[in-house]
Amino acid sequence: GAVVSQHPSRVICKSGTSVKIECRSLDFQATTMFWYRQFPKQSLMLMATSNEGSKATYEQGVEKDKFLINHASLTLSTLTVTSAHPEDSSFYICSASQDSGYTFGSGTRLTVV
Amino acid sequence: GQQLNQSPQSMFIQEGEDVSMNCTSSSIFNTWLWYKQDPGEGPVLLIALYKAGELTSNGRLTAQFGITRKDSFLNISASIPSDVGIYFCAGPRGGSEKLVFGKGTKLTVNP
Repeated sequence: GAVVSQHPSRVICKSGTSVKIECRSLDFQATTMFWYRQFPKQSLMLMATSNEGSKATYEQGVEKDKFLINHASLTLSTLTVTSAHPEDSSFYICSASQDSGYTFGSGTRLTVV
Repeated sequence: GQQLNQSPQSMFIQEGEDVSMNCTSSSIFNTWLWYKQDPGEGPVLLIALYKAGELTSNGRLTAQFGITRKDSFLNISASIPSDVGIYFCAGPRGGSEKLVFGKGTKLTVNP
């Protein structure tokens, strides 16, 4: 079946630094990937839609300059959290869509100290 | 915008019991998806429903797409400890590829 690999699974960074999270579709090409954010005990909230070869589209209230998305190939999308602050600490999850549905990565736990 | 109201918020059951949870919306959905999320992991698809009235099973899991296209339920029969987790309903928003999620049902199974 379709596999989406997300890396790293956990990262701790200092406040003010940037962190890059990678999302790869391992056995299929994904023209569209999605980035979600999940706070403890809450649901997944869509942050942005990553489109291969074009700019990402961001949901209302999500700062595009803070959460930089790059989808340079059909199998890789990256989310960079720039100038991270403690309030950016969260669980970030990517997914990719294909004809058979949506496959999710295993998530990245970001802790900003 | 489209929202999914999922209930119950949490359930505590004994091993072997059956479980039922549901999702409703004021808007029509053309697809209903049920996911399970384990702690520290991404959601894993359990069942996908594409037609109003559709009833689909996956092992001990059964889900139905409501006739009105505004609701869906998920049943788990003969629960086992590994059923523990958070179950989410989801559906594509407004004809787009963007998924909207319910708030989840946290299931605890006591051995």
